[in-house]
Amino acid sequence: GAGVSQSPRYKVAKRGQDVALRCDPISGHVSLFWYQQALGQGPEFLTYFQNEAQLDKSGLPSDRFFAERPEGSVSTLKIQRTQQEDSAVYLCASKPRTGGAGELFFGEGSRLTVL
Amino acid sequence: GESVGLHLPTLSVQEGDNSIINCAYSNSASDYFIWYKQESGKGPQFIIDIRSNMDKRQGQRVTVLLNKTVKHLSLQIAATQPGDSAVYFCAENQYGNKLVFGAGTILRVKS
Repeated sequence: GAGVSQSPRYKVAKRGQDVALRCDPISGHVSLFWYQQALGQGPEFLTYFQNEAQLDKSGLPSDRFFAERPEGSVSTLKIQRTQQEDSAVYLCASKPRTGGAGELFFGEGSRLTVL
Repeated sequence: GESVGLHLPTLSVQEGDNSIINCAYSNSASDYFIWYKQESGKGPQFIIDIRSNMDKRQGQRVTVLLNKTVKHLSLQIAATQPGDSAVYFCAENQYGNKLVFGAGTILRVKS
């Protein structure tokens, strides 16, 4: 596709359920990022992949959050035993090997609501 | 911790006027700054960036100014149009590829 694709766009989970959010980056983009955006706030960094290697996971809030990108393309963000404070929009972004350090291409996000 | 913040949460301008969105940053070690635009229900969209060795950069209808002395960043939009209505975020590149975003400014364009 032409842009970063995320699914599902909307997810409602009961507290304690596990969820998986998928990101299809732009074809050929080496770098992939996950950000969390709470309502009325700016995005906050969660984790970063270069190809299949997870080079930075310093932003993951707890060990309930896990991200993977096994073949260096599609990535999945998994949240185990969801809690209400996990409610947010989860944004995926990708970046080609070249280009400015900050020029990320974002998807439309997956909005997670935990009841 | 150090962070990027915005002075004004909401800015209303008349169509055709120029807009100025301001941002203060606190991490003097940051060497790269970026402005993003986010429309409702969409992901952030890159607008323009500037490196710390520059004080001004121009794009199409947009100009970013960087004042390192007072740690201030601004985005100027010329001849603001209704399609410019969105939330605008400044962000700084700290280490590696990590971006730190500010809280955002809502820009409303009145026709």
